[in-house]
Amino acid sequence: KQEVTQIPAALSVPEGENLVLNCSFTDSAIYNLQWFRQDPGKGLTSLLLIQSSQREQTSGRLNASLDKSSGRSTLYIAASQPGDSATYLCALPYGNNRLAFGKGNQVVVIP
Amino acid sequence: DAGITQSPRHKVTETGTPVTLRCHQTENHRYMYWYRQDPGHGLRLIHYSYGVKDTDKGEVSDGYSVSRSKTEDFLLTLESATSSQTSVYFCAISHKSGEQFFGPGTRLTVL
Repeated sequence: KQEVTQIPAALSVPEGENLVLNCSFTDSAIYNLQWFRQDPGKGLTSLLLIQSSQREQTSGRLNASLDKSSGRSTLYIAASQPGDSATYLCALPYGNNRLAFGKGNQVVVIP
Repeated sequence: DAGITQSPRHKVTETGTPVTLRCHQTENHRYMYWYRQDPGHGLRLIHYSYGVKDTDKGEVSDGYSVSRSKTEDFLLTLESATSSQTSVYFCAISHKSGEQFFGPGTRLTVL
C-alpha cells in the first residue's frame, strides 16, 4: 500500500505570504495524485488532480507540482488569504481505485 | 460536489444498536467508497464498491457491512454499534479520470 506523508502537520503564515505544502509518497509508480481542502466540520473539496504524465497543474492561485522520481508533490498557494485557512490533504490511488491519504497540513493564515 | 448526498447528517445512538448510513449519488458512477475520519488517524477506508453487488473490504472493515443493490445507493451498516465507531463518516465516488469527490459527511456518536 502507498504510504503518504505530509509535513509539517500545522503551520501559520501571515496574509500575503506564499504557502508551500509538501506531500511525499513511497511508491513512485503512481497513476495520479489529488489535493483536497477540508474546512473544520466539513467534507473534502477536490482542489487539483495531477495525472502521472503531468509535471504540474494550476487552478487560479493554486499550483501543484509532481516529481515521481523523488516521490514528492508540492502545493503552492500564492498570496495567501485568511480564507485559505483549512487543512490540505494529498492522496494517491492504490489497487482498484482506492486512495491512500496523508494526515494533512493544517494551515492558518494570519490577517 | 458530484451530486453526492449522505443521510442522516447527524446521529446519536446507543451501544449495541444497529445503524445504517446511506450514500446517494446522481451521476451513475461505478466506484463508491465509505471512509471514516478520526483525529490522529486521518481518513481510513472502510469498504468500497466497484459496481452493483460488487463490494470489497478496506483497511478498517471490522464491525461494518455494506450493500449496493442499485448504482446510486451505497449503504453502510454497523450491526451493533460500539463507542469506538463514534466518528465522522464520508462517502465518496470516483470519476473515470480517477478524481474522487466526497459527500458532506455523517457525524455519528455512539453512547
